Amino acid sequence: AQSVTQLGSHVSVSEGALVLLRCNYSSSVPPYLFWYVQYPNQGLQLLLKYTTGATLVKGINGFEAEFKKSETSFHLTKPSAHMSDAAEYFCAVSRNSGYSTLTFGKGTMLLVSP
Amino acid sequence: KAGVTQTPRYLIKTRGQQVTLSCSPISGHRSVSWYQQTPGQGLQFLFEYFSETQRNKGNFPGRFSGRQFSNSRSEMNVSTLELGDSALYLCASSLVGEGNNEQFFGPGTRLTVL
Repeated sequence: AQSVTQLGSHVSVSEGALVLLRCNYSSSVPPYLFWYVQYPNQGLQLLLKYTTGATLVKGINGFEAEFKKSETSFHLTKPSAHMSDAAEYFCAVSRNSGYSTLTFGKGTMLLVSP
Repeated sequence: KAGVTQTPRYLIKTRGQQVTLSCSPISGHRSVSWYQQTPGQGLQFLFEYFSETQRNKGNFPGRFSGRQFSNSRSEMNVSTLELGDSALYLCASSLVGEGNNEQFFGPGTRLTVL
């Protein structure tokens, strides 16, 4: 069975500071990996995904993540936080074959202060 | 292209009642998945439909059911509502429902059970 662990239910940064949201997964085979963002009263929006190929993946809004198989990690980073980045972020995995069912982490709320 | 739409957006029911939620996927998408989001349990997979067939199911009681129509629209039904069913129900669509397909989420239906 797959599982996802997001370290830290809340992360606080100052505007302009580095954003680092951690995600580790447990899977018998390397899965597909996703980061989604959820703004209040909205659904989830895909930030980026890793399926195959280059392990450093660039997404929307300046976010990127690096797949590290040896560490079973897929941490999300952004060099400089904006106030508009304040939202809840979810790391998710799906199997690398068959269905697209997503297994989500518990989420990390990103707080950005001026 | 229109996104995933869900109706209604908000719903209030009492214990013991039943409820039906509707989801219209992005045009051309054949896979529809449903997820339940609660503060305590996070995002949990309910079921996935592809070409009118339930292809995968999460660990939820039989009170939760769904179906998909020939135009890919989907409904989910919850019978004999319990207080614990209060949640945000999210629908997601993807092209063919394979593991590397992006899932596009709707805004959700907020169900409150009194």
